[in-house]
Amino acid sequence: AQKVTQAQTEISVVEKEDVTLDCVYETRDTTYYLFWYKQPPSGELVFLIRRNSFDEQNEISGRYSWNFQKSTSSFNFTITASQVVDSAVYFCALTPGRGYGNKLVFGAGTILRVKS
Amino acid sequence: EAQVTQNPRYLITVTGKKLTVTCSQNMNHEYMSWYRQDPGLGLRQIYYSMNVEVTDKGDVPEGYKVSRKEKRNFPLILESPSPNQTSLYFCASSFEGVNQPQHFGDGTRLSIL
Repeated sequence: AQKVTQAQTEISVVEKEDVTLDCVYETRDTTYYLFWYKQPPSGELVFLIRRNSFDEQNEISGRYSWNFQKSTSSFNFTITASQVVDSAVYFCALTPGRGYGNKLVFGAGTILRVKS
Repeated sequence: EAQVTQNPRYLITVTGKKLTVTCSQNMNHEYMSWYRQDPGLGLRQIYYSMNVEVTDKGDVPEGYKVSRKEKRNFPLILESPSPNQTSLYFCASSFEGVNQPQHFGDGTRLSIL
């Protein structure tokens, strides 16, 4: 069975602080995909990144970076120099890569509040 | 504009009164799915569909039905809604499968009294 744990329910930071959102996953599959989605206060869900299990390279996109470590089953998300617009709920998600039609399992989400 | 459209956006109804939430996508996506979002639980998958006439259960299918008669539409049916189905519902689609980024609708907030 697949499981995603986001242990941080809520994080509050002051603008310009760096913040890391943790994601720990469980799967027996050797091929799988991990995702991060953002849900701003307006409610829509926005795709941020996808990573497959064979690609352990860290990724950086502007102020966002992701650290994927298979050894610890973690896929953590760091925002550098946070801004108020980063305030949102962030979800980590997992799906096995056996083929089409498999389930997508989300973590409970982490609420990030960035104060000015 | 490429989008996933859900209707209605908000609905307050009573226990036992059948309702349908529609979902339509204009991207010719094969894969569509429904999720419910509840505080502290994240998003949980209800049903998904790989293509027309092909549907399968997600993690929380009890009390829901779906159909996929056309590629673009994937309605969610609550035949006898109960208060525990009060939730925020999202429809999503992707070109081929769940291992691709999902395009989400704007959500439907259902309140079952």
